[in-house]
Amino acid sequence: IAGITQAPTSQILAAGRRMTLRCTQDMRHNAMYWYRQDLGLGLRLIHYSNTAGTTGKGEVPDGYSVSRANTDDFPLTLASAVPSQTSVYFCASSDSREGTGELFFGEGSRLTVL
Amino acid sequence: GQNIDQPTEMTATEGAIVQINCTYQTSGFNGLFWYQQHAGEAPTFLSYNVLDGLEEKGRFSSFLSRSKGYSYLLLKELQMKDSASYLCAALDSNYQLIWGAGTKLIIKP
Repeated sequence: IAGITQAPTSQILAAGRRMTLRCTQDMRHNAMYWYRQDLGLGLRLIHYSNTAGTTGKGEVPDGYSVSRANTDDFPLTLASAVPSQTSVYFCASSDSREGTGELFFGEGSRLTVL
Repeated sequence: GQNIDQPTEMTATEGAIVQINCTYQTSGFNGLFWYQQHAGEAPTFLSYNVLDGLEEKGRFSSFLSRSKGYSYLLLKELQMKDSASYLCAALDSNYQLIWGAGTKLIIKP
């Protein structure tokens, strides 16, 4: 089934630990995104990639890094997790580089940093 | 600054009609999206408007007025499964999506 897959679904992490959230899509979409969603706030863009080999910073990039080695994969890494990074993380993809296309979201990764 | 405003929560009755409003202030404008998000799930696409007017898609319709910086999502013949959060997002001049905090819609029998 075509779509976008995130892993892990849920994780509890000690502060200071390194964590990578995985995201894979099989729709051959050019653009991919990482968002965080916190209660009472809109989705906030962390990093994005318009095409394989390129990445860009979103609204809240500090403490996060991404890579886009190929079209399908877009992992998000927290180098040294802090409690303020407790959130639900959504990976998304789109076939529109200009952002005018529909976003397809993964099921989310719920991360708790203690 | 850029801003999206939508009500935090609304309640409606099964079978009725509800209108969820969204106002936006962005640097430039390249369209407005509505997404539906059930609790604990991912957002799913409902509509995209870039021109003024009403677009109907089954029980759901979306309206845009660019001059007023205003959009609404209209849900007809409400069903219990429509209980969800509805997210409004505007695309600015840099093609960046600005998201509202979402409107939680509660449907009562």
